[in-house]
Amino acid sequence: DAKTTQPPSMDCAEGRAANLPCNHSTISGNEYVYWYRQIHSQGPQYIIHGLKNNETNEMASLIITEDRKSSTLILPHATLRDTAVYYCIVRLSGSARQLTFGSGTQLTVLP
Amino acid sequence: DGGITQSPKYLFRKEGQNVTLSCEQNLNHDAMYWYRQDPGQGLRLIYYSQIVNDFQKGDIAEGYSVSREKKESFPLTVTSAQKNPTAFYLCASSILAGGFTDTQYFGPGTRLTVL
Repeated sequence: DAKTTQPPSMDCAEGRAANLPCNHSTISGNEYVYWYRQIHSQGPQYIIHGLKNNETNEMASLIITEDRKSSTLILPHATLRDTAVYYCIVRLSGSARQLTFGSGTQLTVLP
Repeated sequence: DGGITQSPKYLFRKEGQNVTLSCEQNLNHDAMYWYRQDPGQGLRLIYYSQIVNDFQKGDIAEGYSVSREKKESFPLTVTSAQKNPTAFYLCASSILAGGFTDTQYFGPGTRLTVL
């Protein structure tokens, strides 16, 4: 799986959009970009994933650059409950492969 | 509601005792996984199973055992041979089918403390 690089921490004001970047310059053509988050002492929560097109669901939007070397997770209206560590993972699909979480980004939503 | 349940949320055991952690899913997922997470660390794979009655060791299987007698259940036993069992244990599951992305969904976790 390709290596990812994320900033260690970010702050965001409540109600504003949170934009979390991820670099994955060595991504291969059949690797997906996944985002998870983990609130303290809870299990990781799946947020969204994509291959090359931008994706949106009820939780967030995922913007992948045209060269696929970086992506941005967007939480459109951050709330205090969005405070968590956010993990960007690049991996192949279709096999029982373990997830490798890097150090992630600690997002703190401020009131 | 569909999902993954783990019980109990907190578990305390004396050193030298075996303990079994429960993981159940009603998502009809094929694959199930056990991970261990230590404070400030990422996830490390203990065991995983793609089908009933079959499972494979992950990176840190020593001192652990599993069974997969039913599709929806994948219990993990932490044996007395595991030297540092105190940790946060996470169970996950995913669909496995050709052409489908195998998004893993996690349970709430069990925090095991060995005294």
